Amino acid sequence: QVHLVQSGAEVKKPGASVKVSCKASGYTFTNYGISWVRQAPGQGLEWMGWISSYNGNTNYPQKLQGRITMTTDTSTSTTYMELRSLRSDDTAVYYCAREGRYSSSWYGYWGQGTLVTVSS
Amino acid sequence: EIVLTQSPATLSVTPGERVTLSCRASQGVSSNLAWYQQKPGQAPRLLIHGASTRATGIPARFSGSGSGTEFTLTISSLQSEDFAVYYCQQYYNWPPLTFGGGTKVEIK
Repeated sequence: QVHLVQSGAEVKKPGASVKVSCKASGYTFTNYGISWVRQAPGQGLEWMGWISSYNGNTNYPQKLQGRITMTTDTSTSTTYMELRSLRSDDTAVYYCAREGRYSSSWYGYWGQGTLVTVSS
Repeated sequence: EIVLTQSPATLSVTPGERVTLSCRASQGVSSNLAWYQQKPGQAPRLLIHGASTRATGIPARFSGSGSGTEFTLTISSLQSEDFAVYYCQQYYNWPPLTFGGGTKVEIK
């Protein structure tokens, strides 16, 4: 069955960078894109961007352009999300999520979440 | 950017009640809308995609309807395990993919 396993919790200082991984198993990795979604404490869901696992094409929201990079490693079926110039309001749980169907943009499979805490 | 507005923000209900949650889009999204359930400390769980198609393994008491700008998630008879926060998400026009602010279903 499909599994997405994310890397562990991180604590970072303001201005630093964080890189979170999401290792996929149970399906053909290159057939499905991955989105990253974050959730600040007590808040709703915020989409952070999408990457094609096939060719590495990305889409990011305007507010994160320049601070975020998503990459994939097809040899290990792993997707990475790097966020730079961290601020306190980047403190959140970060989820990776797999498209539910090829080229669909609803998400049927989610990682367990990675808590990123930004604090001086 | 398409804004999704969910109402109400909080719903207090008793087990066994029928529950109706609303999601309104700032512009038409056809049927490109999904619903998710999220419990504390857990990742979101897909309930509905295509506005009305139940995801695999989702009980029949969950149903979705609507198209264009008005959508509804109905739980026909609320079970104890259904107390959670529910989010809608549009995928008609992106980037960005957008989510509603959520509706919390709590015990009355």
